[in-house]
Amino acid sequence: DTAVSQTPKYLVTQMGNDKSIKCEQNLGHDTMYWYKQDSKKFLKIMFSYNNKELIINETVPNRFSPKSPDKAHLNLHINSLELGDSAVYFCASSTKSSGANVLTFGAGSRLTVL
Amino acid sequence: GDSVTQMEGPVTLSEEAFLTINCTYTATGYPSLFWYVQYPGEGLQLLLKATKADDKGSNKGFEATYRKETTSFHLEKGSVQVSDSAVYFCALSNFGNEKLTFGTGTRLTIIP
Repeated sequence: DTAVSQTPKYLVTQMGNDKSIKCEQNLGHDTMYWYKQDSKKFLKIMFSYNNKELIINETVPNRFSPKSPDKAHLNLHINSLELGDSAVYFCASSTKSSGANVLTFGAGSRLTVL
Repeated sequence: GDSVTQMEGPVTLSEEAFLTINCTYTATGYPSLFWYVQYPGEGLQLLLKATKADDKGSNKGFEATYRKETTSFHLEKGSVQVSDSAVYFCALSNFGNEKLTFGTGTRLTIIP
């Protein structure tokens, strides 16, 4: 049973296209995230939702739009894709453990923009 | 703002060698500290955590102690194995802030 699952795992597309990545978690967590990992492995948070409500929105171009239809799903839609959007996108969900916010990550979606 | 600095990689060691990966942080208040590990082609997994000063997190032979006086959370293992080859991320989260702030990651390669 996959705890945090994202689809697709790989995505290759042309500049200017629009694409979506979907994420689902079956852990019962209230909070979900999107992180971007660049080619140097640097991880940066993009968005976070708590119970379908946006709580973190880092400096991300308007071309990126998250949507959370319910607390188990957080999708990421990207308009007008650019070369610099090529990265691995990780979905995660979190719960409190001993007072700390512990994240569980999906396996990642590798986006390549040509 | 909060930040995490960890040693630059890559780090290459022989099997059974002693491992240290340094991590220091800057944060207001009393953050929780974490080490996550990313095996090739996979997502990040929590390796260990510590939530207050002098706490020691441990898992799979790895240890890290929360040192408030030196704002550090160095990762150590006494005898590494080839299967420990991965990228290791130090991270923190602060009270009232839901996000994790990550270091840049350290790639570790263990050779037989």
